[in-house]
Amino acid sequence: AQSVAQPEDQVNVAEGNPLTVKCTYSVSGNPYLFWYVQYPNRGLQFLLKYITGDNLVKGSYGFEAEFNKSQTSFHLKKPSALVSDSALYFCAVRDQAGRRALTFGSGTRLQVQP
Amino acid sequence: DARVTQTPRDKVTEMGQEVTMRCQPILGHNTVFWYRQTMMQGLELLAYFRNRAPLDDSGMPKDRFSAEMPDATLATLKIQPSEPRDSAVYFCASAHWPQLQQGYVQETQYFGPGTRLLVL
Repeated sequence: AQSVAQPEDQVNVAEGNPLTVKCTYSVSGNPYLFWYVQYPNRGLQFLLKYITGDNLVKGSYGFEAEFNKSQTSFHLKKPSALVSDSALYFCAVRDQAGRRALTFGSGTRLQVQP
Repeated sequence: DARVTQTPRDKVTEMGQEVTMRCQPILGHNTVFWYRQTMMQGLELLAYFRNRAPLDDSGMPKDRFSAEMPDATLATLKIQPSEPRDSAVYFCASAHWPQLQQGYVQETQYFGPGTRLLVL
């Protein structure tokens, strides 16, 4: 079985401050990990993914995520938040070896205050 | 710029009517996913197809929902009869999922803009 937990329903941060959106996962083997962002009335947009290799993954719009195998985490980070980053963020996981589709977390709403 | 397209973008219908949603995957992608998003349940996977064959439709209510891929450029999701509890945003996503010697390696999913369904 595979699962994802996003423990925070909402994260509030002031513009210019660093942001972190948390994600932990559970898979039976090695994971593929993804972050997607959803703006209002839009579909999910791919931000970044971890497949293998470097634990720090860089993605679109200045976002990055750090894969931590021992803590089974894949937290999304950005050094300096923008008001335009306010959106719904989804973490997703799948087992590398299997045929299963992605399992998505429940989403975290990021609110960046000016 | 390759994109997944979905039609219609918005649909309002009355309970009991048939609803058909369509999705055109990105050219060259061989896997199509259908998701449903609601405030209460979040994002739910309904079904997915690889090379037009259904791989998993366990998330889909079988009595009223059906999903098909008549050809590689079109996926459909039908609800018959529709009910108010079906009101949601329905997303289609596509991905390239080649079969390699070491097994199946599914690549990144790309989502369409969604169909917002309201059943009165």
